[in-house]
Amino acid sequence: NAGVMQNPRHLVRRRGQEARLRCSPMKGHSHVYWYRQLPEEGLKFMVYLQKENIIDESGMPKERFSAEFPKEGPSILRIQQVVRGDSAAYFCASSRRDINLDTEAFFGQGTRLTVV
Amino acid sequence: GENVEQHPSTLSVQEGDSAVIKCTYSDSASNYFPWYKQELGKRPQLIIDIRSNVGEKKDQRIAVTLNKTAKHFSLHITETQPEDSAVYFCAASTRGDYKLSFGAGTTVTVRA
Repeated sequence: NAGVMQNPRHLVRRRGQEARLRCSPMKGHSHVYWYRQLPEEGLKFMVYLQKENIIDESGMPKERFSAEFPKEGPSILRIQQVVRGDSAAYFCASSRRDINLDTEAFFGQGTRLTVV
Repeated sequence: GENVEQHPSTLSVQEGDSAVIKCTYSDSASNYFPWYKQELGKRPQLIIDIRSNVGEKKDQRIAVTLNKTAKHFSLHITETQPEDSAVYFCAASTRGDYKLSFGAGTTVTVRA
């Protein structure tokens, strides 16, 4: 089991461009979570998805940010018209079931987005 | 929503000594408390977790204690080693919820 795979590991975008971050959950995991980590801060919840469904996007800015987890393929976090404040590490986690049901969330290596 | 506070923000210990990190949470309905270790540039990795029906849990040199009345939980690392140097995050989750609320992290440095 390769674990949670995120790509790219590092992404540089100019202001105004789009950033697409990909996350392939662990095999057998159907729950995906995206977190953002600013320098020297903890991880902040952004969005929770199951296959083809957004369950909770309360932590995600309403503008410019979107997420999907299609039936086939990885989960995608998309940031349109990036600004310098979007620079952060974005982590994806996956779990077999709801983490509140005696299961744990496994994190990917993260994508470090730098907006120049 | 849940608010998790973590102290201290940095901790330096001599190799072989113990390290203790404390977290408080605000939502009395929280029932799942994991601890993650993150080495520089790497992914957060779960090192131990505790659920609200347990007061203490131990795994080799690592232990976690939970005080639901006071709404705080702590991580204890005994006989620290240089490879324990990392950033440690506590988190909390509420029954019926799924997202983890993280503390701001503690940077632990073990001096040889």
